Amino acid sequence: SQQGEEDPQALSIQEGENATMNCSYKTSINNLQWYRQNSGRGLVHLILIRSNEREKHSGRLRVTLDTSKKSSSLLITASRAADTASYFCATDEDSNYQLIWGAGTKLIIKP
Amino acid sequence: GAGVSQSPSNKVTEKGKDVELRCDPISGHTALYWYRQRLGQGLEFLIYFQGNSAPDKSGLPSDRFSAERTGESVSTLTIQRTQQEDSAVYLCASSPGTGGINEQFFGPGTRLTVL
Repeated sequence: SQQGEEDPQALSIQEGENATMNCSYKTSINNLQWYRQNSGRGLVHLILIRSNEREKHSGRLRVTLDTSKKSSSLLITASRAADTASYFCATDEDSNYQLIWGAGTKLIIKP
Repeated sequence: GAGVSQSPSNKVTEKGKDVELRCDPISGHTALYWYRQRLGQGLEFLIYFQGNSAPDKSGLPSDRFSAERTGESVSTLTIQRTQQEDSAVYLCASSPGTGGINEQFFGPGTRLTVL
């Protein structure tokens, strides 16, 4: 399959709440990346976590990786209106150059 | 510094016409990718260039699609005899391309509409 799986497909929360998105993949990986896409800034890299890491933080973002379950989660704390976007995970899945992309989670932050 | 640029930003064409999309990667990035993104979906890999190596064309959906890259500079994606199902956003990304998969830097995309 070309794509991994992300859930939920869509998520709507109030500003200030936390948002959690999940990503599952199929085979072994070297790293997993999360990207954000909105109409204003296009597709932008957020964070990369390597297969030997379990958790990584960047500002209000926290990513976890469970290689035994072949899954990752992205937590956005204290959400803001500007966080409204689609969030994608991408894995290398044993390739040394090709990323496999999920279908994305559409996040809406309500004021 | 300058990011990845793509042109045109929008292209409307008639079924059966050829189109050419252009990508200018970040200077010094040896890896360049083309993706297709249909509305509400994830990215579909089309083709990968790395330096002067032979490109990986395994994602091209048909022989109507082709791409070229001169050295480590500009790339063009050509779609011949366009069909309505080719309508999508075409994204280009570049990467330093050293030591495994790194962060990819994306252009703003070309939105292609085939009437």
